[in-house]
Amino acid sequence: DAMVIQNPRYQVTQFGKPVTLSCSQTLNHNVMYWYQQKSSQAPKLLFHYYDKDFNNEADTPDNFQSRRPNTSFCFLDIRSPGLGDAAMYLCATSPGQGMADTQYFGPGTRLTVL
Amino acid sequence: KNEVEQSPQNLTAQEGEFITINCSYSVGISALHWLQQHPGGGIVSLFMLSSGKKKHGRLIATINIQEKHSSLHITASHPRDSAVYICDLFPDNDMRFGAGTRLTVKP
Repeated sequence: DAMVIQNPRYQVTQFGKPVTLSCSQTLNHNVMYWYQQKSSQAPKLLFHYYDKDFNNEADTPDNFQSRRPNTSFCFLDIRSPGLGDAAMYLCATSPGQGMADTQYFGPGTRLTVL
Repeated sequence: KNEVEQSPQNLTAQEGEFITINCSYSVGISALHWLQQHPGGGIVSLFMLSSGKKKHGRLIATINIQEKHSSLHITASHPRDSAVYICDLFPDNDMRFGAGTRLTVKP
C-alpha cells in the first residue's frame, strides 16, 4: 500500500512556465519535506513543514514555493522553471515525534524543463 | 570541509563479498540515518541510529558517537544490493546528507 504518493511521476514543462508537483500521505505524519535531487548528487532539502509551520532552507531559491493545505497534502510550486531546475523532486514524511524520526520517501517526480 | 564525508564514493564488488561503507562527520548529532537509493530514484530508509549497532537481515549498521563515525556493512552481497547508499545526519533541527556511495555488485 502506497504511503507517500507523488503525482505525477514524470512532468515536462517549458522554460518559465509554472509547474506544481503534489505529494500526499496516508500516514498522518506531522512533518512533510521536499527535496531536490540532481543526477549523481545527494538529495538537497528545499523546505519542510512541521504541521502548518513552514521552514525554508536558507539557500532555497525564491522560485520555489510550497503549500500544505492539510495534513495529507503538500505541494511544490516552481514559479518560473529554468533549465537548471530539471531534477528529481522527492517528498518525504516523518512522524515529528523526536529527533530520531525515520523519514518515509515517496517515489519522486522527475521534472524535465524544455 | 564537508560536515559529512562518505567513503568510498564508488565501490564494485563480486557477489558474496562483505561490503563496508563509511560515514564520518564533524558536527554533533542526535541521530544518523542510512538510506538506500535504487536506480530510478526510489529511496528506502534502512536504519536510524543514535548509538551502538543495528542489524536487519544481511545489513548491519554501527555508530560511534565519540569518534563521529558510522559504518554500514552488507554481508554476502548480492547484485540486488546495487544502489547508492546515503548517510544522513540529524544535527539539531537540520539534516545533512553525505554525497553517497555508489555500490555495484557483480554476479
